[in-house]
Amino acid sequence: SAVISQKPSRDICQRGTSLTIQCQVDSQVTMMFWYRQQPGQSLTLIATANQGSEATYESGFVIDKFPISRPNLTFSTLTVSNMSPEDSSIYLCSVDRVGTDTQYFGPGTRLTVL
Amino acid sequence: AQTVTQSQPEMSVQEAETVTLSCTYDTSESDYYLFWYKQPPSRQMILVIRQEAYKQQNATENRFSVNFQKAAKSFSLKISDSQLGDAAMYFCAYRSARRDDKIIFGKGTRLHILP
Repeated sequence: SAVISQKPSRDICQRGTSLTIQCQVDSQVTMMFWYRQQPGQSLTLIATANQGSEATYESGFVIDKFPISRPNLTFSTLTVSNMSPEDSSIYLCSVDRVGTDTQYFGPGTRLTVL
Repeated sequence: AQTVTQSQPEMSVQEAETVTLSCTYDTSESDYYLFWYKQPPSRQMILVIRQEAYKQQNATENRFSVNFQKAAKSFSLKISDSQLGDAAMYFCAYRSARRDDKIIFGKGTRLHILP
Protein backbone atom coordinates (compact mmCIF):
# COMPACT_ATOMS: atom_id res chain seq x y z
CA SER A 1 0.00 0.00 0.00
CA ALA A 2 1.02 3.66 -0.35
CA VAL A 3 1.96 5.84 2.61
CA ILE A 4 -0.25 8.92 2.43
CA SER A 5 -0.08 11.92 4.72
CA GLN A 6 -2.47 14.82 5.06
CA LYS A 7 -2.00 18.18 6.70
CA PRO A 8 -3.59 19.50 8.80
CA SER A 9 -5.17 16.56 10.61
CA ARG A 10 -7.85 18.86 11.97
CA ASP A 11 -8.74 22.52 12.08
CA ILE A 12 -11.38 24.85 13.41
CA CYS A 13 -12.07 27.78 11.12
CA GLN A 14 -14.24 30.87 11.04
CA ARG A 15 -17.04 31.36 8.56
CA GLY A 16 -15.92 33.11 5.37
CA THR A 17 -12.29 32.00 5.55
CA SER A 18 -10.46 29.42 3.42
CA LEU A 19 -8.41 26.36 4.33
CA THR A 20 -5.91 24.48 2.17
CA ILE A 21 -5.41 20.77 2.84
CA GLN A 22 -2.27 19.04 1.62
CA CYS A 23 -1.89 15.43 0.54
CA GLN A 24 1.54 13.86 0.10
CA VAL A 25 2.23 10.32 -1.14
CA ASP A 26 5.47 8.41 -0.69
CA SER A 27 5.59 7.11 -4.26
CA GLN A 28 4.33 7.97 -7.68
CA VAL A 29 0.67 7.32 -8.24
CA THR A 30 -1.59 7.51 -11.24
CA MET A 31 -4.76 8.99 -9.84
CA MET A 32 -5.40 11.21 -6.82
CA PHE A 33 -8.88 11.91 -5.48
CA TRP A 34 -10.51 14.16 -2.92
CA TYR A 35 -13.56 13.04 -0.92
CA ARG A 36 -15.84 14.69 1.59
CA GLN A 37 -17.45 12.75 4.41
CA GLN A 38 -20.15 14.66 6.25
CA PRO A 39 -20.95 13.60 9.82
CA GLY A 40 -22.42 10.11 9.94
CA GLN A 41 -22.38 9.78 6.16
CA SER A 42 -20.55 7.83 3.51
CA LEU A 43 -17.86 9.25 1.26
CA THR A 44 -18.69 11.61 -1.58
CA LEU A 45 -16.18 12.21 -4.35
CA ILE A 46 -15.41 15.89 -4.84
CA ALA A 47 -12.97 15.65 -7.73
CA THR A 48 -10.13 13.82 -9.40
CA ALA A 49 -6.86 15.73 -9.19
CA ASN A 50 -5.11 15.61 -12.56
CA GLN A 51 -1.39 16.18 -12.78
CA GLY A 52 -0.61 19.23 -14.85
CA SER A 53 -4.20 20.07 -15.75
CA GLU A 54 -7.45 21.17 -14.18
CA ALA A 55 -9.20 18.80 -11.80
CA THR A 56 -12.30 16.89 -12.87
CA TYR A 57 -15.20 17.80 -10.60
CA GLU A 58 -18.22 15.71 -9.71
CA SER A 59 -21.74 17.01 -9.97
CA GLY A 60 -22.47 19.50 -7.21
CA PHE A 61 -18.86 20.58 -6.71
CA VAL A 62 -17.26 23.56 -8.44
CA ILE A 63 -13.74 24.84 -8.84
CA ASP A 64 -14.47 28.23 -7.26
CA LYS A 65 -15.49 26.55 -4.01
CA PHE A 66 -12.98 23.67 -4.04
CA PRO A 67 -9.90 24.64 -6.05
CA ILE A 68 -7.47 21.75 -6.42
CA SER A 69 -3.85 21.66 -7.47
CA ARG A 70 -1.61 18.76 -8.39
CA PRO A 71 1.79 20.11 -9.37
CA ASN A 72 3.46 16.68 -9.51
CA LEU A 73 2.74 12.96 -9.23
CA THR A 74 3.00 12.76 -5.44
CA PHE A 75 1.36 15.94 -4.11
CA SER A 76 -2.03 17.61 -4.24
CA THR A 77 -3.91 20.33 -2.38
CA LEU A 78 -7.60 20.95 -1.84
CA THR A 79 -8.81 24.38 -0.77
CA VAL A 80 -12.19 24.85 0.86
CA SER A 81 -13.09 28.46 0.07
CA ASN A 82 -15.43 30.93 1.74
CA MET A 83 -16.35 28.35 4.33
CA SER A 84 -19.73 27.97 6.02
CA PRO A 85 -20.78 25.61 8.84
CA GLU A 86 -22.15 23.25 6.16
CA ASP A 87 -18.56 22.61 5.07
CA SER A 88 -17.80 20.95 8.41
CA SER A 89 -16.72 17.46 7.35
CA ILE A 90 -13.85 15.07 7.07
CA TYR A 91 -11.88 15.57 3.88
CA LEU A 92 -9.97 12.58 2.59
CA CYS A 93 -7.33 12.22 -0.05
CA SER A 94 -6.97 8.90 -1.84
CA VAL A 95 -4.68 7.50 -4.50
CA ASP A 96 -4.38 4.74 -7.07
CA ARG A 97 -0.92 3.30 -7.07
CA VAL A 98 0.68 2.58 -10.42
CA GLY A 99 -0.47 -0.80 -11.71
CA THR A 100 -3.25 -1.34 -9.17
CA ASP A 101 -7.00 -0.93 -9.18
CA THR A 102 -7.28 -0.25 -5.46
CA GLN A 103 -7.64 3.12 -3.78
CA TYR A 104 -5.69 3.85 -0.63
CA PHE A 105 -6.71 6.64 1.70
CA GLY A 106 -4.95 9.28 3.70
CA PRO A 107 -5.75 9.78 7.39
CA GLY A 108 -8.25 12.55 6.67
CA THR A 109 -8.65 16.16 7.79
CA ARG A 110 -11.42 16.97 10.22
CA LEU A 111 -12.72 20.47 9.51
CA THR A 112 -15.06 22.37 11.80
CA VAL A 113 -16.45 25.70 10.65
CA LEU A 114 -17.91 28.02 13.27
CA ALA B 1 -25.70 3.65 -13.00
CA GLN B 2 -24.03 1.43 -10.48
CA THR B 3 -25.26 1.39 -6.90
CA VAL B 4 -24.09 -0.23 -3.68
CA THR B 5 -26.53 -1.05 -0.88
CA GLN B 6 -25.74 -1.92 2.71
CA SER B 7 -29.03 -2.72 4.39
CA GLN B 8 -27.72 -2.95 7.95
CA PRO B 9 -26.96 0.51 9.41
CA GLU B 10 -25.71 -1.06 12.66
CA MET B 11 -24.79 -4.48 13.96
CA SER B 12 -23.47 -5.89 17.19
CA VAL B 13 -21.52 -9.06 17.89
CA GLN B 14 -20.09 -10.65 20.99
CA GLU B 15 -16.33 -10.71 21.21
CA ALA B 16 -14.88 -13.95 19.72
CA GLU B 17 -18.08 -14.64 17.78
CA THR B 18 -18.61 -14.46 14.02
CA VAL B 19 -20.56 -11.73 12.23
CA THR B 20 -21.58 -11.23 8.61
CA LEU B 21 -22.12 -7.81 7.04
CA SER B 22 -24.30 -7.67 3.93
CA CYS B 23 -23.76 -5.80 0.70
CA THR B 24 -25.57 -5.89 -2.62
CA TYR B 25 -24.75 -3.97 -5.75
CA ASP B 26 -26.23 -3.26 -9.11
CA THR B 27 -24.28 -3.15 -12.34
CA SER B 28 -24.62 -4.15 -15.96
CA GLU B 29 -20.89 -4.74 -16.30
CA SER B 30 -19.17 -8.12 -16.09
CA ASP B 31 -15.70 -6.99 -15.10
CA TYR B 32 -15.30 -5.06 -11.87
CA TYR B 33 -13.80 -5.04 -8.39
CA LEU B 34 -15.42 -5.12 -4.98
CA PHE B 35 -13.93 -3.90 -1.72
CA TRP B 36 -14.59 -3.71 1.96
CA TYR B 37 -13.08 -0.76 3.80
CA LYS B 38 -12.97 -0.28 7.55
CA GLN B 39 -13.13 3.15 9.18
CA PRO B 40 -12.41 3.14 12.93
CA PRO B 41 -12.98 6.23 15.08
CA SER B 42 -9.55 7.47 14.00
CA ARG B 43 -11.33 8.06 10.64
CA GLN B 44 -8.58 6.41 8.57
CA MET B 45 -10.09 4.35 5.74
CA ILE B 46 -8.39 0.96 5.75
CA LEU B 47 -8.72 -1.60 3.00
CA VAL B 48 -9.92 -4.89 4.51
CA ILE B 49 -10.39 -7.11 1.50
CA ARG B 50 -10.62 -6.97 -2.28
CA GLN B 51 -12.39 -9.25 -4.77
CA GLU B 52 -12.01 -9.40 -8.53
CA ALA B 53 -15.30 -10.23 -10.24
CA TYR B 54 -13.73 -12.65 -12.72
CA LYS B 55 -12.41 -14.81 -9.87
CA GLN B 56 -14.87 -17.35 -8.53
CA GLN B 57 -12.80 -18.03 -5.43
CA ASN B 58 -13.82 -15.94 -2.44
CA ALA B 59 -11.11 -13.64 -1.09
CA THR B 60 -9.75 -14.24 2.40
CA GLU B 61 -7.52 -12.12 4.63
CA ASN B 62 -6.85 -13.74 7.99
CA ARG B 63 -10.10 -13.48 10.00
CA PHE B 64 -11.90 -11.67 7.17
CA SER B 65 -13.51 -13.49 4.27
CA VAL B 66 -16.17 -12.69 1.70
CA ASN B 67 -19.04 -14.56 0.18
CA PHE B 68 -19.15 -13.32 -3.41
CA GLN B 69 -22.25 -14.32 -5.35
CA LYS B 70 -21.87 -12.75 -8.78
CA ALA B 71 -25.23 -13.82 -10.18
CA ALA B 72 -27.03 -12.50 -7.12
CA LYS B 73 -24.80 -9.38 -7.03
CA SER B 74 -24.06 -10.01 -3.40
CA PHE B 75 -20.78 -9.42 -1.55
CA SER B 76 -20.96 -10.10 2.18
CA LEU B 77 -18.10 -9.81 4.66
CA LYS B 78 -17.59 -12.39 7.38
CA ILE B 79 -15.50 -11.53 10.40
CA SER B 80 -14.47 -14.53 12.47
CA ASP B 81 -13.31 -14.46 16.09
CA SER B 82 -14.39 -10.82 16.46
CA GLN B 83 -12.04 -8.58 18.41
CA LEU B 84 -12.59 -5.25 20.14
CA GLY B 85 -10.40 -3.62 17.50
CA ASP B 86 -12.86 -4.64 14.80
CA ALA B 87 -15.32 -2.03 16.04
CA ALA B 88 -15.69 0.45 13.18
CA MET B 89 -17.75 1.60 10.23
CA TYR B 90 -17.49 -0.84 7.35
CA PHE B 91 -18.05 0.36 3.80
CA CYS B 92 -18.70 -1.87 0.83
CA ALA B 93 -17.45 -0.42 -2.46
CA TYR B 94 -17.65 -1.14 -6.18
CA ARG B 95 -15.31 -0.15 -8.96
CA SER B 96 -15.63 -0.86 -12.64
CA ALA B 97 -12.63 -2.40 -14.36
CA ARG B 98 -12.82 0.36 -16.96
CA ARG B 99 -9.69 2.44 -16.75
CA ASP B 100 -9.73 5.28 -14.23
CA ASP B 101 -13.30 4.72 -13.14
CA LYS B 102 -14.28 5.96 -9.71
CA ILE B 103 -15.25 3.94 -6.64
CA ILE B 104 -18.87 3.86 -5.49
CA PHE B 105 -19.42 3.41 -1.77
CA GLY B 106 -22.34 2.06 0.21
CA LYS B 107 -23.71 3.97 3.16
CA GLY B 108 -21.83 1.85 5.66
CA THR B 109 -22.55 -0.51 8.56
CA ARG B 110 -21.47 0.43 12.07
CA LEU B 111 -20.18 -2.67 13.87
CA HIS B 112 -20.15 -2.81 17.67
CA ILE B 113 -18.14 -5.45 19.50
CA LEU B 114 -19.59 -6.46 22.87
CA PRO B 115 -17.03 -7.56 25.46
